[in-house]
Amino acid sequence: AQKITQTQPGMFVQEKEAVTLDCTYDTSDPSYGLFWYKQPSSGEMIFLIYQGSYDQQNATEGRYSLNFQKARKSANLVISASQLGDSAMYFCAMREGYTGNQFYFGTGTSLTVIP
Amino acid sequence: DARVTQTPRHKVTEMGQEVTMRCQPILGHNTVFWYRQTMMQGLELLAYFRNRAPLDDSGMPKDRFSAEMPDATLATLKIQPSEPRDSAVYFCASGLGTGGRSNQPQHFGDGTRLSIL
Repeated sequence: AQKITQTQPGMFVQEKEAVTLDCTYDTSDPSYGLFWYKQPSSGEMIFLIYQGSYDQQNATEGRYSLNFQKARKSANLVISASQLGDSAMYFCAMREGYTGNQFYFGTGTSLTVIP
Repeated sequence: DARVTQTPRHKVTEMGQEVTMRCQPILGHNTVFWYRQTMMQGLELLAYFRNRAPLDDSGMPKDRFSAEMPDATLATLKIQPSEPRDSAVYFCASGLGTGGRSNQPQHFGDGTRLSIL
């Protein structure tokens, strides 16, 4: 089974609107971390936001927030007030286990912000 | 800001040639990862190291690929002989290997864009 599933290959959003990018994960370990990365067309991978499995509150970083639903095993990224510069690929990733080092990445969602 | 440095940024070479990609992880990071990204396969983990020791290279074609960390400041990924299907972007990433509860992300280099003719 896939550790990370991103079911939306492509998404469109109007500038200044909010958009939610979906991510579900699969693990039986109670200790894990969830990460989102942005990859613009220039190619670099930029870390956006982190959510830990024991965190009581949803993570937020500026215009990025994480809608963490543990029972559903979902960690959706919410981008508020979309900007043209948000157009990029977005990857969800998970690290699991107390001693885990490896990250499991999803296949990514391509977001296009429409002016 | 500390960065992961990868060289070369671009490489074009002919099939059969040896290719060496280098990575300087962020000082103090004890885990290093090599990924390959293609349109068809997405982001694939090739190998990773913790404290310079290889932990997993199951994603790497062993007959032609090799990954090493000769010291804490240098990781290398070699392809010999190279084939057209190896054309991809190769990323190196480093991090603090402190387990699943750590909030430390992997930090990526800018990648090596490899084209094998």
